[in-house]
Amino acid sequence: DSGVTQTPKHLITATGQRVTLRCSPRSGDLSVYWYQQSLDQGLQFLIQYYNGEERAKGNILERFSAQQFPDLHSELNLSSLELGDSALYFCASTSSGGWTGELFFGEGSRLTVL
Amino acid sequence: GIQVEQSPPDLILQEGANSTLRCNFSDSVNNLQWFHQNPWGQLINLFYIPSGTKQNGRLSATTVATERYSLLYISSSQTTDSGVYFCAVDPNAGNMLTFGGGTRLMVKP
Repeated sequence: DSGVTQTPKHLITATGQRVTLRCSPRSGDLSVYWYQQSLDQGLQFLIQYYNGEERAKGNILERFSAQQFPDLHSELNLSSLELGDSALYFCASTSSGGWTGELFFGEGSRLTVL
Repeated sequence: GIQVEQSPPDLILQEGANSTLRCNFSDSVNNLQWFHQNPWGQLINLFYIPSGTKQNGRLSATTVATERYSLLYISSSQTTDSGVYFCAVDPNAGNMLTFGGGTRLMVKP
């Protein structure tokens, strides 16, 4: 158990819909990262938050957005879903209070868009 | 952006065998990590190793940053070692990691 909690574990929805994925980082970790794992793109970095502020953006679509709340949990919002958005979405946090060092991943949220 | 190549893409071993997985990267990095994704999809951090050598039980890793490669050694493999091994790097010290394509390992009893 990495200490990073993600919900839901599985989600099935239809094209055009909107979903929210939730993540709680390890206790004491201020940084939260979102990654997407799909069959065609592999594992790719989406976005990072540090202590409530967006710190870095990767290959995140404009239809996707995220935020980190004062209690440090984070949500990833995916809207106008397309078939190609089906993927495993991981949240991760970094040890200590910084943004470097070992990255610890949650178990992921598997999204299926039909 | 930085390119990460892992070899071999697939590996089948008999239980008890040793193996070496390789990760080549196209630019200098300040962060390199090895992960194991088990058959249930969980990504587990094995090593944070931007340079040097580390060991953890039957696993060890070496990164030669000046030559832009890293190696992961698995000794006395067990069936529970099966899964996909990923190398991931960041040219900066952060965790905006670029992942390689992985090495899929199957250990047979």
